[in-house]
Amino acid sequence: AQTVTQSQPEMSVQEAETVTLSCTYDTSESDYYLFWYKQPPSRQMILVIRQEAYKQQNATENRFSVNFQKAAKSFSLKISDSQLGDAAMYFCAYRSAGFNKFYFGSGTKLNVKP
Amino acid sequence: KAGVTQTPRYLIKTRGQQVTLSCSPISGHRSVSWYQQTPGQGLQFLFEYFSETQRNKGNFPGRFSGRQFSNSRSEMNVSTLELGDSALYLCASSLAGGLGEQYFGPGTRLTVT
Repeated sequence: AQTVTQSQPEMSVQEAETVTLSCTYDTSESDYYLFWYKQPPSRQMILVIRQEAYKQQNATENRFSVNFQKAAKSFSLKISDSQLGDAAMYFCAYRSAGFNKFYFGSGTKLNVKP
Repeated sequence: KAGVTQTPRYLIKTRGQQVTLSCSPISGHRSVSWYQQTPGQGLQFLFEYFSETQRNKGNFPGRFSGRQFSNSRSEMNVSTLELGDSALYLCASSLAGGLGEQYFGPGTRLTVT
């Protein structure tokens, strides 16, 4: 079975600074998708960014970008110009291409200091 | 489009009782997945339904069951509730295939006393 590991339970960043959240995964599959989801306190989980494994180019969405290292099975999320609204739990997730079954990491709580 | 909705939002039950949670997916989405979220275990996959059939299943006991209706709405049932079943139950819908992005509902907070 696939596993997703987020080794940083909690991180803090100063407003306007940059922070990187780490994620590693274990799989024997070659085709899959990776996601970062954000869950603000007491609010709905929303998708931040996604990456297709067959694409070498790293995905970017405004201030959010990923560093996808397929050989190393690493998928980190970089948040630039951090804002107070970025404070949330961030979950890394894996989905194989053939099955609509997601595997989530344990999450990283991001604190943003004003 | 309206998002994923879940009812009820909060629920308090007694150990030994059973409970049914409901999820309405985004219009056009035929896949509905259920997750249990707890502080200690994180997000754990329960099962996925597609076209009224359970397509994927996680490692939960048989007390946890679900079903999907022809309009893609889904229900999850937990029988003989245990204290450890206290959790946030999340439902997510997606278009089967494609990029496989899941859209989450707000969750049902279940407390078992």
